[in-house]
Amino acid sequence: SQQGEEDPQALSIQEGENATMNCSYKTSINNLQWYRQNSGRGLVHLILIRSNEREKHSGRLRVTLDTSKKSSSLLITASRAADTASYFCATASGAYNTDKLIFGTGTRLQVFP
Amino acid sequence: DAGITQSPRHKVTETGTPVTLRCHQTENHRYMYWYRQDPGHGLRLIHYSYGVKDTDKGEVSDGYSVSRSKTEDFLLTLESATSSQTSVYFCAIRESELIKKSDTQYFGPGTRLTVL
Repeated sequence: SQQGEEDPQALSIQEGENATMNCSYKTSINNLQWYRQNSGRGLVHLILIRSNEREKHSGRLRVTLDTSKKSSSLLITASRAADTASYFCATASGAYNTDKLIFGTGTRLQVFP
Repeated sequence: DAGITQSPRHKVTETGTPVTLRCHQTENHRYMYWYRQDPGHGLRLIHYSYGVKDTDKGEVSDGYSVSRSKTEDFLLTLESATSSQTSVYFCAIRESELIKKSDTQYFGPGTRLTVL
């Protein structure tokens, strides 16, 4: 069963606009990660936020985490055509064993020039 | 790509035949993973390994077996392939830092398997 569910499933925007994707999960976590996947390629790690953090930035990426609502959001500012990809959240859980990540079903982002 | 390669990259096979996919890494990472990716399901963990000869099942392990006789190689075997195992298979390694534990995973390029 999926731990993370992304919303929306698909998003289309124009270059320069901001893109926001949301992820909800079911159980308590140690950390939550976001990955990007370009068509036909493997996943690429973008950012990791730990359960005791509320917000994190990396370049044009901003991730927030609300553990009380079991949700996270990924904001891509000033989007570019090259940001077109699928984005997945993944959660790591467990007091002692964080060996496994559970991935959501992803958001497909299309950025038009 | 963290030195991860997968072979073959594409394979077409028939129902009932055995298939082995190989994942090779060059950076001595302890943890290795096999996922399958299907439309509407995201990535689902099949098996993973936390050391040579140490493996454990994931969410969708039925019909699959794995072996890890060397640190650098993690093999996924479909003993008797079925059409439901048509999918894209990804291998991943977990970044392993002795001082700062990290859960970040790095993925290979994938193997597209079609079972007719």
